[in-house]
Amino acid sequence: KAGVTQTPRYLIKTRGQQVTLSCSPISGHRSVSWYQQTPGQGLQFLFEYFSETQRNKGNFPGRFSGRQFSNSRSEMNVSTLELGDSALYLCASSLAARNSYNEQFFGPGTRLTVL
Amino acid sequence: AQSVTQLGSHVSVSEGALVLLRCNYSSSVPPYLFWYVQYPNQGLQLLLKYTSAATLVKGINGFEAEFKKSETSFHLTKPSAHMSDAAEYFCAVSDGNAGNMLTFGGGTRLMVKP
Repeated sequence: KAGVTQTPRYLIKTRGQQVTLSCSPISGHRSVSWYQQTPGQGLQFLFEYFSETQRNKGNFPGRFSGRQFSNSRSEMNVSTLELGDSALYLCASSLAARNSYNEQFFGPGTRLTVL
Repeated sequence: AQSVTQLGSHVSVSEGALVLLRCNYSSSVPPYLFWYVQYPNQGLQLLLKYTSAATLVKGINGFEAEFKKSETSFHLTKPSAHMSDAAEYFCAVSDGNAGNMLTFGGGTRLMVKP
């Protein structure tokens, strides 16, 4: 079974631009979560989607948004990029919604650099 | 609110020595606890998880962790370090009522000396 895939793997943008990252979960997984990883702030939860609905949202500004499609694939969008948005963005998928001890499987991440 | 503290951002051990990575958590409800490992340029891989069953949890690659409620700790151990264990390790907590949201500790980079 294929793992979680994220595209693109690397991205370079300039301040003020917007970016869209994509995540394809493991087949059959309906929950997709997004995390931001930076050296200064560590791993921080962005949001979770289940059945095309946002279930949880972390403490990030409205410039960060996401969505999930009927095939469970998810995208996240960051508008008006800032230098501080440079990070590794990780996507994780799991089978269930509220059953938190179902393992989350992480993708390799998208490395975003904002110049 | 939940939080996780990992003591020691860097830990160095010799090959064959005991590995001990420390994790303390704060949670208002019985937590689910996890240890993840991250190798360079890769995502996170689950090592083990505590879900209120046995307090001593065995994971992959010879790692294990013990849940101690009285100490609010979930330290990760491995009896004998191998060079391939060099990586960054993250402790995480979920309260079970917030979907799949994980709160992570700051991470501990494990270095293994030959």
